[in-house]
Amino acid sequence: NAGVTQTPKFRVLKTGQSMTLLCAQDMNHEYMYWYRQDPGMGLRLIHYSVGEGTTAKGEVPDGYNVSRLKKQNFLLGLESAAPSQTSVYFCASSSGRWETQYFGPGTRLLVL
Amino acid sequence: SQELEQSPQSLIVQEGKNLTINCTSSKTLYGLYWYKQKYGEGLIFLMMLQKGGEEKSHEKITAKLDEKKQQSSLHITASQPSHAGIYLCGLRSYNTDKLIFGTGTRLQVFP
Repeated sequence: NAGVTQTPKFRVLKTGQSMTLLCAQDMNHEYMYWYRQDPGMGLRLIHYSVGEGTTAKGEVPDGYNVSRLKKQNFLLGLESAAPSQTSVYFCASSSGRWETQYFGPGTRLLVL
Repeated sequence: SQELEQSPQSLIVQEGKNLTINCTSSKTLYGLYWYKQKYGEGLIFLMMLQKGGEEKSHEKITAKLDEKKQQSSLHITASQPSHAGIYLCGLRSYNTDKLIFGTGTRLQVFP
């Protein structure tokens, strides 16, 4: 039981490039979340999903897109990366709205 | 988030000392989560509190929820270097799918 995994662990992009971050969970959780963590800002919710095929905007959704084609996977896409998107990205999942969120190890993204 | 304030922002204590971290919300608390993050790693769930006056303990860490004050405290007894990291509280308010996180308290424990 791996829990929540994220790939890649680290990535460097040039401004304007695109990339997709993958989150996978093996706990059969309905809810999945993408956060970014920046110094002094704490964790901020980007997008989330309450089930396969659904997505919703969080606190800071601009510049990101997501897809939840399979229950176990939640993808975060950056279509045209900007230096302001340099951050550490965390994925989390939970079995329900009121249940504990379990986090992945994070992806460090540097946009030059 | 201004909705959730943590104090102090950082804390340096000597091994063996007790310490308390506070998390104060501007919104009504329907659930308060405590997580620990080791430097450069993901978040590890510690405890969840839902009811006013609730208190939970795990090893040397105790968390309490004061519903009236809209505040939670995390107390570590006889701190150890393994307690070092960033402690984050997360607020769940009514009728929402989301958690709002505080900015964290960075704890260092020196021998």
